[in-house]
Amino acid sequence: AQSVAQPEDQVNVAEGNPLTVKCTYSVSGNPYLFWYVQYPNRGLQFLLKYITGDNLVKGSYGFEAEFNKSQTSFHLKKPSALVSDSALYFCAVYSWGKLQFGAGTQVVVTP
Amino acid sequence: GAVVSQHPSRVICKSGTSVKIECRSLDFQATTMFWYRQFPKQSLMLMATSNEGSKATYEQGVEKDKFLINHASLTLSTLTVTSAHPEDSSFYICSARVASGTATYEQYFGPGTRLTVT
Repeated sequence: AQSVAQPEDQVNVAEGNPLTVKCTYSVSGNPYLFWYVQYPNRGLQFLLKYITGDNLVKGSYGFEAEFNKSQTSFHLKKPSALVSDSALYFCAVYSWGKLQFGAGTQVVVTP
Repeated sequence: GAVVSQHPSRVICKSGTSVKIECRSLDFQATTMFWYRQFPKQSLMLMATSNEGSKATYEQGVEKDKFLINHASLTLSTLTVTSAHPEDSSFYICSARVASGTATYEQYFGPGTRLTVT
């Protein structure tokens, strides 16, 4: 079965510091991977995706993610976090016509 | 572009009544729409997938007679929670997938509907 795992329930980071949210995947074949962000009581907003091509994918709001096939990872990164980045982040894999989501990682950025 | 709306954003209903939630793709055509349920601080649980003009496909464990889904057009899908009970209280999110093009795998999400059953 295709799946993604987000090992951290919460990530705390000070504003201005680098932010990393981890995601590992388990798929057969080529993975189609996504990151979404959710603010309180809102739907999900698309950040970026990896389908094929460069391993480093750049997305919205200054986020990027690196696809690492040998480590089966697709970690989300931002060089300098903002307080407004505090939200719930979901990694997802596209499988059988549907998105399978990870459990989510709560990011808390403190001033 | 790629905006999905949901209506209502919040609804409170009495136990035993039915509630309809609308999901619309505003600026694109969506052959496929998805309905998710989310509990507080948890991930999204896919309830069903609907394709325009055909019956919805429900995930295992989701009662199709309780959660009625209609995908009447390429821009509208509705979820009706029938005979609602307090345990149906949740955050319901719809999502739409563009009909064609290179963004085929992307799904765009609505803002969600908070259902409270009293």
